Amino acid sequence: AQTVTQSQPEMSVQEAETVTLSCTYDTSESDYYLFWYKQPPSRQMILVIRQEAYKQQNATENRFSVNFQKAAKSFSLKISDSQLGDAAMYFCAYRGNNAGNMLTFGGGTRLMVKP
Amino acid sequence: EAGVAQSPRYKIIEKRQSVAFWCNPISGHATLYWYQQILGQGPKLLIQFQNNGVVDDSQLPKDRFSAERLKGVDSTLKIQPAKLEDSAVYLCASSANTGVGGSPLHFGNGTRLTVT
Repeated sequence: AQTVTQSQPEMSVQEAETVTLSCTYDTSESDYYLFWYKQPPSRQMILVIRQEAYKQQNATENRFSVNFQKAAKSFSLKISDSQLGDAAMYFCAYRGNNAGNMLTFGGGTRLMVKP
Repeated sequence: EAGVAQSPRYKIIEKRQSVAFWCNPISGHATLYWYQQILGQGPKLLIQFQNNGVVDDSQLPKDRFSAERLKGVDSTLKIQPAKLEDSAVYLCASSANTGVGGSPLHFGNGTRLTVT
C-alpha cells in the first residue's frame, strides 16, 4: 500500500517570503500522480498543483512550484511571495494511474503567514 | 459549474444514535468518494463509487457504516450506531474519470460530525 508522509506539522513564513513544504511517499508503482491540496478553515480541499510521475519537468502554477525527485520519492511544494491568504492546511497526496485508483493523503502541514 | 454539494454542514448526535450525510457531485462526474477526516489528520478514503457500483470500500467499517449511490448521481453515507470515535469531518468528492490518475478530485465543504 502507498503511504504519504509530511514531516512538518507546522510551518511559518513571513508575508512576501518563500516557504517550502516537504512530502515523501512510498510506492512500488512507476506510473502515478502527485498532488498538493490546500484546506482553508472552510474545510473545502482545493487543488493547488499536480505532477505526473513520467514528467521530469517540475510543475509550476503561478507562485506555487514543486521539486519532484522521483528516485528519492520526494515531492516538496514551494510557495513564493507568500500572501496572508496562503495560510491553511496543506496536504500532499498520491494517486496511482490504474483503474479504481484512490487518492492517498499525508497528515498535513499547517502553514501560518505572518504579516 | 456548480461544485460538490454536501449537507448538513454540521451535525451533533449522541453515541448510539444514527446519522446520514448527503452528497450531490458535479454533474457528469462518474466517480464519487467519501473521505473521513479526523481532526489533525489527513482525509482517509471510506468508499469509492464508479457510477452506482462500489470500486473500493476496504476501509469502510461495515458493521456501522453504509453508503449508497442510487442512479449513479447523489450519494448518502449513514452511520448506525455512532461511536465517539466517529467524530470527524466527512468529505465528499467527485472526479470525471477513474481510469486516469490525473483527473483531479473536486471536494465539497464537508459535514462536521460531533458524537457526544
